[in-house]
Amino acid sequence: AQTVTQSQPEMSVQEAETVTLSCTYDTSENNYYLFWYKQPPSRQMILVIRQEAYKQQNATENRFSVNFQKAAKSFSLKISDSQLGDTAMYFCAFTPIGDDKIIFGKGTRLHILP
Amino acid sequence: EAGVAQSPRYKIIEKRQSVAFWCNPISGHATLYWYQQILGQGPKLLIQFQNNGVVDDSQLPKDRFSAERLKGVDSTLKIQPAKLEDSAVYLCASSFPPNSDSNTEAFFGQGTRLTVV
Repeated sequence: AQTVTQSQPEMSVQEAETVTLSCTYDTSENNYYLFWYKQPPSRQMILVIRQEAYKQQNATENRFSVNFQKAAKSFSLKISDSQLGDTAMYFCAFTPIGDDKIIFGKGTRLHILP
Repeated sequence: EAGVAQSPRYKIIEKRQSVAFWCNPISGHATLYWYQQILGQGPKLLIQFQNNGVVDDSQLPKDRFSAERLKGVDSTLKIQPAKLEDSAVYLCASSFPPNSDSNTEAFFGQGTRLTVV
C-alpha cells in the first residue's frame, strides 16, 4: 500500500525563522511526483512545491525548498524567513507518474508567531 | 484562468436528510476528484472521474453517497441519508488526465463545509 506519513501534527515558530516540516512515504513505484500543499483557513488547497522523483536536484520556490531523499523515502519542506501568511495546514502528497491518484498525509498545522 | 468552483460553501442539515454538492472543474481538465476532509485529517479520496467515467470509487460509501459527472464537465456529489459522521469539508479537484505532459498538479476548489446535526 502507498502511504504518506507526517509525524508532526502541529508546529509553531517565530516570524522570520526557518522551519522544516517532515514527510515520509512508502511506495514500490520508481517514478512519481511529490507535493507539498498549503491549506489556509479559507480551505483552498494551494500547491506550494513539487518534486519529480527522477530528478536528483531538490526543488526550490522562493522561500520554500525541499530535501528529497529518495532512498530514505523522505521529503521534507523547509520554509525560510517565515511569514505570518505561512500559517496554515501543510499536506505532503504523492502521485505515481502515469496515475492520477493523489495520496495525502494527515497534515501539519503550522503557526507563525509574531 | 478560472479555478475550480464549488457550491455551496456551507451547509447545515439534520441527520437523515439529503444534501448535494456541485463542482465545476477547470476547463479542459478531464480528471475530477471528490475528497472528504474530516477535521484534523488529510483529504480522503471518495471518487475519481476521467471524463464522465468512474476511475475509482473504492472508498465511496455507496449505500448513502452517489456522484455523477454528466457530459464530462460538472459534477454533483449527493449524500442520502446523511449521518453525523458525514460532517466534513468536501473538496473537489481537477487535473489534466494521466500521461499528459501537464499531469503534475491537481487544482482544488474551496470546498463545502457540511455540518450534520
